[in-house]
Order: sequence, then C-alpha cells, then structure tokens
Amino acid sequence: GQQLNQSPQSMFIQEGEDVSMNCTSSSIFNTWLWYKQEPGEGPVLLIALYKAGELTSNGRLTAQFGITRKDSFLNISASIPSDVGIYFCAGQSGNFGNEKLTFGTGTRLTIIP
Amino acid sequence: DAGVTQSPTHLIKTRGQQVTLRCSPKSGHDTVSWYQQALGQGPQFIFQYYEEEERQRGNFPDRFSGHQFPNYSSELNVNALLLGDSALYLCASLRLAGVSDEQFFGPGTRLTVL
Repeated sequence: GQQLNQSPQSMFIQEGEDVSMNCTSSSIFNTWLWYKQEPGEGPVLLIALYKAGELTSNGRLTAQFGITRKDSFLNISASIPSDVGIYFCAGQSGNFGNEKLTFGTGTRLTIIP
Repeated sequence: DAGVTQSPTHLIKTRGQQVTLRCSPKSGHDTVSWYQQALGQGPQFIFQYYEEEERQRGNFPDRFSGHQFPNYSSELNVNALLLGDSALYLCASLRLAGVSDEQFFGPGTRLTVL
C-alpha cells in the first residue's frame, strides 16, 4: 500500500534544540495530520490541518499544510525529553474524519542527554 | 472514560493458522478501523466497519476479514497466516458525524507468526 515519504528517517538531538521534519506525497490530500507514537502505544493525534497553506500550532508544535496539498511539515521548538518517540504524518483524501488514513514512514526522534 | 481497548496484547501463531483479534471502541464511538503496522513502518489501513458493515477496504487480501457487533466492538480475523503477517495490529475508533472527527487508536495487538 501507499506510504508517504517522511524525512529525516531518524534524528538525534540535544535537549533544547528545535526539530523539523517533513512529509511528501505523490498525490493530493485534503487533510493532513501529525501523530506521535511511543513504545507499546498506538499513535496519538498532535495536530490536524484542513486547508492548503494553513499554519497551526499546538504548544511547542507547529505544522503547515503545503500549498500544493502534497506536503506538510512539523516543527518542535525547544525539545524536551518527553518529545522522544516516532512521529508520523498522515493524509486523508477527503474532508470526512472517517476516511482512511494514509501514513508516512515515520521519523524517530531521540534526545541525547 | 475508557479509551480504545484491544485484546490480546501479544499473540504467537504458526504459519497456516487462523487468528482473531478484538477491539472495543472508545465510549460513544460507532466506527472502527483496523490498521497493520509492520516493524519500522507506518500503519496501513485494512478496513473500516460502521453499522456492522464493511464500509472501506484497503489493499489487503480476502484472508483478512472482520466483523462488527451491535455494541460497536469489532473483530479482525486473519486466515492461513503467513510469516509476513507478523505486525502490530491497531484498532481506531471515532463517532461518525460526531463533534470531533478524530480517530483514537488503541495500544495494538502484537502478532508474531513463526
């Protein structure tokens, strides 16, 4: 099945640094979402984007819906230890919440003490 | 308010066997989706159930089937297991036409096929 391309695949950063990751698709999506997954748990929604060009923040997290509808990025400012985990982007073709999610390949974030 | 629950947590089967995984949606939710997450990959959509019927299906063979019960809980069945079926199986639920369209995920069932 289709998976969106995420980069980087992994990141090793120091506490306090800013993080940036992005996601690209060969097809258009009308909704972009960013999830975080920790060991032993399912993905948890961080941010949802519904409009091309939209920039949305949730605390230290900021995400943008690309103008072409084929990409999105996520920034995390001033990283803290609890930010460790795997971050996934996901797209939905329509505007209805029950539509299937097409996930990216994930970005694994590790914080170096 | 209980979130999405799945059982069992872990399962080991051998090739050719059949397996049934179970999901109870978050309270108030009526729609259940199943995803397969292979090691090191993102989740892949298997299918979705609403009103006890399969509404959407991903690119998975007929060996993968499901069911939704009147209480909205759901089962995922996989027949003739292959080594490649080893994965984390996630269940997600939402309330169709609810105030929020967020899909909530359960912790998953880790299936190992030997």
